[in-house]
Amino acid sequence: AQSVTQLGSHVSVSEGALVLLRCNYSSSVPPYLFWYVQYPNQGLQLLLKYTSAATLVKGINGFEAEFKKSETSFHLTKPSAHMSDAAEYFCAVSASGGSYIPTFGRGTSLIVHP
Amino acid sequence: NAGVTQTPKFQVLKTGQSMTLQCAQDMNHEYMSWYRQDPGMGLRLIHYSVGAGITDQGEVPNGYNVSRSTTEDFPLRLLSAAPSQTSVYFCASSRGTSKGNEQFFGPGTRLTVL
Repeated sequence: AQSVTQLGSHVSVSEGALVLLRCNYSSSVPPYLFWYVQYPNQGLQLLLKYTSAATLVKGINGFEAEFKKSETSFHLTKPSAHMSDAAEYFCAVSASGGSYIPTFGRGTSLIVHP
Repeated sequence: NAGVTQTPKFQVLKTGQSMTLQCAQDMNHEYMSWYRQDPGMGLRLIHYSVGAGITDQGEVPNGYNVSRSTTEDFPLRLLSAAPSQTSVYFCASSRGTSKGNEQFFGPGTRLTVL
């Protein structure tokens, strides 16, 4: 079975500070990993995805994530937070057996203070 | 392209009433799915479809029915609404059943059952 754990339901940073959102996955086969962002009252949209090419993946709006197999992690980072980054962030995995159906984490709410 | 559209945006029902949440996509995507989003629970899969005439159950299918008569449309039916079905519902689609495919989400339907 595949699963994903997002550490911290809320993360609070100051504008200009580093953003770090944590995601750990469980999979017995090489995973495909995704980060999605949900702005208030909107649907989810893709930030970035890992599909077994480069381990450091760059996404939209200055976000990036690094796949670390030894740590089973796919943490999301951004060097400098903007007020507009305030949103809900979801990590997702597609991995086990032949399953293409993604499993989503519970989400992390990013709060950005002026 | 309009992408994934959902109607209505908001709905209030009384316990025992039935209704259909509409979902349509204009990207000719094979795969479509329905999720519900509840605070602290992330996204939970209700039903999904890999093509017209083919549907299957997800993690939380009880109380919901789906059908897929065309590639474009994937309506979700609540047979007899219960307060536990108060949630935000998202429809999603993707190009196919490859594990690396991005999910495209609609804007959501916010449902309240009294």
